[in-house]
Amino acid sequence: EAAVTQSPRNKVAVTGGKVTLSCNQTNNHNNMYWYRQDTGHGLRLIHYSYGAGSTEKGDIPDGYKASRPSQENFSLILELATPSQTSVYFCASGDGTGGAYEQYFGPGTRLTVL
Amino acid sequence: GMPVEQNPPALSLYEGAESGLRCNFSTTMKGVQWFQQNHRGRLITLFYLAQGTKENGRLKSTFNSKERYSTLHIKDAQLEDSGTYFCAVARGYKLTFGTGTSLLVDP
Repeated sequence: EAAVTQSPRNKVAVTGGKVTLSCNQTNNHNNMYWYRQDTGHGLRLIHYSYGAGSTEKGDIPDGYKASRPSQENFSLILELATPSQTSVYFCASGDGTGGAYEQYFGPGTRLTVL
Repeated sequence: GMPVEQNPPALSLYEGAESGLRCNFSTTMKGVQWFQQNHRGRLITLFYLAQGTKENGRLKSTFNSKERYSTLHIKDAQLEDSGTYFCAVARGYKLTFGTGTSLLVDP
C-alpha cells in the first residue's frame, strides 16, 4: 500500500547540533511537504518540493533547509538546532497534477531540542 | 499564510449526539481537506472535497467555495470520535490549516 514514512519517529537533540529528518513516499507523487505542529496551532508549512532537485520556502522557513534528492525522498535539515524548534514534524506528499490537491501525511516525528 | 478560522475551538458531546464543525476562509480556495488527529497524534484524512458534499457513514462534509466555508457534521457521536479535527484549505498545491476543534465525546 502506498505510504508516507518518516524517520526517526522520535529524536532528542542538543542546542547547536545538526538534525536531519527524513521522509520517504511510495505514492509516486511529484510534490512533498514539511510541516510543524505546535500546541495551539494547526500545521504550518516549512518547505515543499515540486520534484527531485527542487525545494521551495513555505510560510515559516527560517532555521530550516530542505533537500529532495529523488522522487521518493525529502529531508528537512536543522543546521543549528534551537529549543524553539522543539515540535512535531509532519511530512506529506501530493500528486501535484491535474487539480489533485489532496495530501497524504506521514505519522510525524517528535523532535526535542535541549 | 492566510488565516483559516475553525469554530468552535472546543466541543463536548454525549454519545449518540450530533453536531457540526465549521471552517471559514477569506478567499476562494481549490478545495478543503478534513482530518481527525487521534490521541496518538496521527492525522487521519476524513474527506477531501473540491466542491459539493461527501458523506461517509456518520460523517458528512460540505464545501462552499463561493461562500468561503466548509462544514463537517458528525451524527451519533461515538467515544472513538474524540480528538482534534482540522480543516485545511488548498491554495494551489499548498494546504493552510486551521487551528482545530477539540472534540470530547462522553458516555
